Amino acid sequence: NAGVTQTPKFQVLKTGQSMTLQCAQDMNHEYMSWYRQDPGMGLRLIHYSVGAGITDQGEVPNGYNVSRSTTEDFPLRLLSAAPSQTSVYFCASSQELRYDYGYTFGSGTRLTVV
Amino acid sequence: QKEVEQDPGPLSVPEGAIVSLNCTYSNSAFQYFMWYRQYSRKGPELLMYTYSSGNKEDGRFTAQVDKSSKYISLFIRDSQPSDSATYLCAMSHAGAAGNKLTFGGGTRVLVKP
Repeated sequence: NAGVTQTPKFQVLKTGQSMTLQCAQDMNHEYMSWYRQDPGMGLRLIHYSVGAGITDQGEVPNGYNVSRSTTEDFPLRLLSAAPSQTSVYFCASSQELRYDYGYTFGSGTRLTVV
Repeated sequence: QKEVEQDPGPLSVPEGAIVSLNCTYSNSAFQYFMWYRQYSRKGPELLMYTYSSGNKEDGRFTAQVDKSSKYISLFIRDSQPSDSATYLCAMSHAGAAGNKLTFGGGTRVLVKP
């Protein structure tokens, strides 16, 4: 049981490049989210999905796209990387919060945009 | 003003001491309260989950929620050097879009041998 798997763990991009951060979970969770973590800012929600085919924006969606074609996978696409997108990105999944499970997070992708 | 406030620390304690962490919040709709532990360069790991008000104990960890004061706490008894990490509070409410969690900024804890 792998939980939430993120790839790559590290990435350096040049300004203007695009890339996709991968996220997969094997717990059959309906809810999946992408957060970014910046010093002094805590974790902020980028995009989320409540099930296959359903996605929506979080607090800081600009510059990012997502899709959810299967329950297991929730990739995050950076359209045209900017230095402001240098951050640590976490994917997370959960059941309904009324169940005593909370969110399970992946180990993160450290992205640097130069 | 942030919805969830958390002292960034660092909080330094000797091994064996009680670690006391807390968060205040402004949104009275929050009803699910969580504490996550995050080691350096790792993802957050769920420690404690509490629904509504009250106390919950799990081994050396005790979580308290006081909804009337909009205040939550985490206590770590008999602290160990392995408890050195950043502790994040997070909260949500029924109907929150996508089960969105609102996080505090995290408190860095150092337990010295």
